[in-house]
Amino acid sequence: AQSVTQLGSHVSVSEGALVLLRCNYSSSVPPYLFWYVQYPNQGLQLLLKYTSAATLVKGINGFEAEFKKSETSFHLTKPSAHMSDAAEYFCAVSGVSGGYNKLIFGAGTRLAVHP
Amino acid sequence: DGGITQSPKYLFRKEGQNVTLSCEQNLNHDAMYWYRQDPGQGLRLIYYSQIVNDFQKGDIAEGYSVSREKKESFPLTVTSAQKNPTAFYLCASRNTGTESYGYTFGSGTRLTVV
Repeated sequence: AQSVTQLGSHVSVSEGALVLLRCNYSSSVPPYLFWYVQYPNQGLQLLLKYTSAATLVKGINGFEAEFKKSETSFHLTKPSAHMSDAAEYFCAVSGVSGGYNKLIFGAGTRLAVHP
Repeated sequence: DGGITQSPKYLFRKEGQNVTLSCEQNLNHDAMYWYRQDPGQGLRLIYYSQIVNDFQKGDIAEGYSVSREKKESFPLTVTSAQKNPTAFYLCASRNTGTESYGYTFGSGTRLTVV
């Protein structure tokens, strides 16, 4: 069965610093992987997705993620944090459960950006 | 523009009362999902539906009910049997044509018991 582990429920960085949010997955088949962002009291918005094309995926707002099969990882990065990046981030893998395909989400990582 | 509309944005429920949360999409997506979100607990799947007139229980279906009479609509009823309904509820939809499609989410409904 597929699963996702996000390391670190809270991450704090300074404005202008590197953002690194960690995601490890478990999947018995080539995975489809996703990163979503959620701002307070809003729904989730797709940042980027990996669908077996390029291993380095670029998303919106300057974020990117690299698929590393050997490490079963799909970490999210941004070279320089901005105050507006403060939000909760969810990693997800496409999996089958109960005979149906659905997204399986990690527990989320809350990113704080301080001046 | 296509998207998912959840209403109301805020909802207050009295003890013992049933309430229904609306979710409507105009994306022509086949699959629809309801999630509950509590602080520090991520997203928990309540119900999902792959096609009209068919739906399956998720991980925390007790105290909830759904219907899928139209492709565009997937309302969630929080019944009096749900003892702790205060949470943020998210509806999502997906094109089931390929696994590479992600979900599109609505903006959520915050339900509070008063």
